[in-house]
Amino acid sequence: KAGVTQTPRYLIKTRGQQVTLSCSPISGHRSVSWYQQTPGQGLQFLFEYFSETQRNKGNFPGRFSGRQFSNSRSEMNVSTLELGDSALYLCASSRGTGATYGYTFGSGTRLTVV
Amino acid sequence: AQTVTQSQPEMSVQEAETVTLSCTYDTSESDYYLFWYKQPPSRQMILVIRQEAYKQQNATENRFSVNFQKAAKSFSLKISDSQLGDAAMYFCAYRSINAGNMLTFGGGTRLMVKP
Repeated sequence: KAGVTQTPRYLIKTRGQQVTLSCSPISGHRSVSWYQQTPGQGLQFLFEYFSETQRNKGNFPGRFSGRQFSNSRSEMNVSTLELGDSALYLCASSRGTGATYGYTFGSGTRLTVV
Repeated sequence: AQTVTQSQPEMSVQEAETVTLSCTYDTSESDYYLFWYKQPPSRQMILVIRQEAYKQQNATENRFSVNFQKAAKSFSLKISDSQLGDAAMYFCAYRSINAGNMLTFGGGTRLMVKP
């Protein structure tokens, strides 16, 4: 079966612009979570969506937002990009929400802000 | 809040040998899940092994096993018969039973395998 698909794989944006990243979960998975990975801060949780509702949110400024559609696909948006937003953004999908459910990651979107 | 610490930024092992990666965590919860993930250059995080805190028995998956010491809050990963394909970043992660699908990751350990 198809895995978690993230698009685009690479992205270059200019400081001050905004960007939208997409994540298509495994068929039947209703939960999507997003993580930011940087060399300095490591892997940090951004937010989790389940059935179109945000369930958890990490400690990120309001410039970072997300949403989930009725087909479980999710998008995250970063407005007014800063150089420090350069990172690998990973999403993961799960059938449900809660620690008993397995988790599958995508290959990420590499965002470079110049 | 929970924290996860991996004290070894880099480790090296000879092919076919055994290596142990360390992980400690801090939590006030009594029930939780612990994971080891592997991230190869392809960037995708791959689940290596999972441990439920309420289980005293250490988890094992083929060449991978853990040493879970709940009182010491320690969760190390042992890789036996190391293979070149094991070379990757390894992340230890904590998941609360009360925080949905949120994972708290350690800083990672880069494992190099020498032929």
